[in-house]
Amino acid sequence: QLQLQESGPGLVKPSETLSLTCTVSGGSINSSTYYWGWIRQPPGKGLECIGSIHYRGSTSYNPSLRSRVTMSVDTSKNQFSLKLNSVSAADTAVYYCARVTGTTGFFDCWGQGTLVTVSS
Amino acid sequence: DIVMTQSPDSLAVSLGERATINCKSSQSVLYRSSNKNYLAWYQLKPGQPPNLLIYWASTRESGVPDRFSASGSGTDFTLTISSLQAEDVAVYYCQQYYSTPLTFGGGTKVEIK
Repeated sequence: QLQLQESGPGLVKPSETLSLTCTVSGGSINSSTYYWGWIRQPPGKGLECIGSIHYRGSTSYNPSLRSRVTMSVDTSKNQFSLKLNSVSAADTAVYYCARVTGTTGFFDCWGQGTLVTVSS
Repeated sequence: DIVMTQSPDSLAVSLGERATINCKSSQSVLYRSSNKNYLAWYQLKPGQPPNLLIYWASTRESGVPDRFSASGSGTDFTLTISSLQAEDVAVYYCQQYYSTPLTFGGGTKVEIK
């Protein structure tokens, strides 16, 4: 049974870099079929797709965040990661990692989510 | 970007009654070559990860109770809970995957009347 788990600091200072890792278990990240994505939900608001990455390294970022986002994959650890730089309070959100059924796809398996607060 | 608009923002339904949620996209999410609508529905409960309910606009995910059904094509879609159960209290989101960036509707909160 595929499982995803986010990890990383729960508190990040303004202007610094938010870094999260998603560990995939119960399946391999080395799938040509799937992408691996990040989605966030600010408090009291809806869901926003940040972007996704294929295990071979191709990425698709939301244009609204593209200038600040970097995603990467570590196939040896079955993990993928998100870095969001120059954060502000507007980046405070629950961050989810998920498996995506393609560059344009739906999210068929999600992590539990992790709250990241941007505050000094 | 394709903008997804859901209605209503919230609704209260009696146990055992029908709940209907609407989702409208700013442009068609139907690929005519495949005749498939690139539209999914999710259920979010507090403290739990989102749960995929429906994809291709009307295909129920494995394990999803058959009281959940969905329909629509092009730009107008509907999620129906035929007989609301207590465990269905949640926020429901539609999502288009016709084009990037992938976008979600604003969500519809379903409560018990």
